Amino acid sequence: RKEVEQDPGPFNVPEGATVAFNCTYSNSASQSFFWYRQDCRKEPKLLMSVYSSGNEDGRFTAQLNRASQYISLLIRDSKLSDSATYLCVVTTGGFKTIFGAGTRLFVKA
Amino acid sequence: SAVISQKPSRDICQRGTSLTIQCQVDSQVTMMFWYRQQPGQSLTLIATANQGSEATYESGFVIDKFPISRPNLTFSTLTVSNMSPEDSSIYLCSVEVETANTEAFFGQGTRLTVV
Repeated sequence: RKEVEQDPGPFNVPEGATVAFNCTYSNSASQSFFWYRQDCRKEPKLLMSVYSSGNEDGRFTAQLNRASQYISLLIRDSKLSDSATYLCVVTTGGFKTIFGAGTRLFVKA
Repeated sequence: SAVISQKPSRDICQRGTSLTIQCQVDSQVTMMFWYRQQPGQSLTLIATANQGSEATYESGFVIDKFPISRPNLTFSTLTVSNMSPEDSSIYLCSVEVETANTEAFFGQGTRLTVV
């Protein structure tokens, strides 16, 4: 079993749609959780951290469920510019950062 | 935050040759990380580079194949040695900065094609 698993997609959605991604992690001792965005042929960049209480940043909402060991990302009112690969990232103790393989999103006009 | 300048951005190399990738950070950092990302795959950590000591390699990666230098707190190099087509990939350097959590910043990546 992979340490961080994501549905690779692709998710093809129309503009304005709401789309949700899930990610599961295997290490119950994981400490920090993030969603990164990676555009085609670009480096990953932090989209948002994921807190236990859940957090929202504009159209983006991230949630963490420690009991079930998954995190989610919800994107509302999708824009064409949201098209990218979304990476689930988990850190454990000892500075170990583990990246999921990413979920590809295509938003169409 | 951290700004990382990575070069070259891309290269096409003959098998059997070596390529050295450089990363320069705009601030002093204790650890620098080197990743490989193959098409459609996640980032795989190659090694962690600490200034003043040998790099720590992950399972499946060895120093003879991927020698790393870390001469100071703002600079590191990764060499891909004796390349084969299987080494074709994107190589990324990264640093982690303490913000509210620990945020990873990446260089722009080096797209390597071995022919």
